Amino acid sequence: DAGITQSPRHKVTETGTPVTLRCHQTENHRYMYWYRQDPGHGLRLIHYSYGVKDTDKGEVSDGYSVSRSKTEDFLLTLESATSSQTSVYFCAISSQGEYTEAFFGQGTRLTVV
Amino acid sequence: GDSVTQMEGPVTLSEEAFLTINCTYTATGYPSLFWYVQYPGEGLQLLLKATKADDKGSNKGFEATYRKETTSFHLEKGSVQVSDSAVYFCALIGGATNKLIFGTGTLLAVQP
Repeated sequence: DAGITQSPRHKVTETGTPVTLRCHQTENHRYMYWYRQDPGHGLRLIHYSYGVKDTDKGEVSDGYSVSRSKTEDFLLTLESATSSQTSVYFCAISSQGEYTEAFFGQGTRLTVV
Repeated sequence: GDSVTQMEGPVTLSEEAFLTINCTYTATGYPSLFWYVQYPGEGLQLLLKATKADDKGSNKGFEATYRKETTSFHLEKGSVQVSDSAVYFCALIGGATNKLIFGTGTLLAVQP
């Protein structure tokens, strides 16, 4: 299995509180991604990173920020959680070139009450 | 921009039937193509991939061939089992942005 770990796996938080989700990889892959998955919406890209301190917005980035201070870690922060951010969050990593590959973490189930 | 279109589900089949899930893409250059499977309550697992035209990816009896002339990467299996019931996602990397881009997913339900 690819070396990618998300933490926490489950979290319940209150509306208005900040929340940070962590994605950690041991594959030294350049690209990292955060997606959310909701019934009827498939996978939607929140933010992605193409290198240390290099990030860009995805299709549903409002209310989320990210940081990547080192290759192995990609943090997703909800500055002030809302009930609409209740979802399952997946991190993915990818390398590109001759041996292009992409793998997912196990997911974080976040509930905002 | 880059995009992936896959057939809508649900797809309902009887055990041992032949499966095809269509996937087409739009991208500049030469993207890499993937199929992922998601079983109920679980994360996404890489099922197979192809990185250049005419490559065939295969795994667990599933196959898909990278067809650049038709910009397609259709998933096939000759004889499905109940245990294949899951959501299948087609995806690409590369093209204009190097982002990992997904189709909407296709739910497969296999009945005994």
